[in-house]
Amino acid sequence: AQTVTQSQPEMSVQEAETVTLSCTYDTSESNYYLFWYKQPPSRQMILVIRQEAYKQQNATENRFSVNFQKAAKSFSLKISDSQLGDTAMYFCAFQGAQKLVFGQGTRLTINP
Amino acid sequence: DGGITQSPKYLFRKEGQNVTLSCEQNLNHDAMYWYRQDPGQGLRLIYYSQIVNDFQKGDIAEGYSVSREKKESFPLTVTSAQKNPTAFYLCASSIWPQVAFFGQGTRLTVV
Repeated sequence: AQTVTQSQPEMSVQEAETVTLSCTYDTSESNYYLFWYKQPPSRQMILVIRQEAYKQQNATENRFSVNFQKAAKSFSLKISDSQLGDTAMYFCAFQGAQKLVFGQGTRLTINP
Repeated sequence: DGGITQSPKYLFRKEGQNVTLSCEQNLNHDAMYWYRQDPGQGLRLIYYSQIVNDFQKGDIAEGYSVSREKKESFPLTVTSAQKNPTAFYLCASSIWPQVAFFGQGTRLTVV
């Protein structure tokens, strides 16, 4: 069974700092996708970044980038130049052939 | 506009009552999912369906039931067997290998 683990329940940084959120996963599948979603207080799920498992190059979207270590089954999210609007719950997710599974989430607070 | 719609936004259930949460999508997605979210917690998978007339239990299926009679619709029934149903429920849909789309969610409260 696929599992996703986020070991940091809460994190807090100052505005403009860089922060890294950790995620590990377990699967026996070879073809899958990994995601980071953001959930602000509105509860709407917003896609932050996506990584295809077969691509070795780490995905980047503006201030957001990932460190994908396939052998270690690790998928961390780095937020550079953090902004107040980045305050939210962040979820790591695994999508295999059958299921879309989420981690427990990390509550990130950006302080002014 | 294409999207996924959940209704109602807020739902109140009396003890011992069954309630049904609606999830409709017009994205022509094959897969649909139901998740439960408790305060400050992650999303736990209740049920998922890859094709019409077929669905599988997720990690916390006890006390819930679903149907998938149409590709567009995947309603979730919270039965009286679910002892702690108060939570936020999210529906999602996807088509491999695209990103999943989420509904706005339904907040269910037992009164």
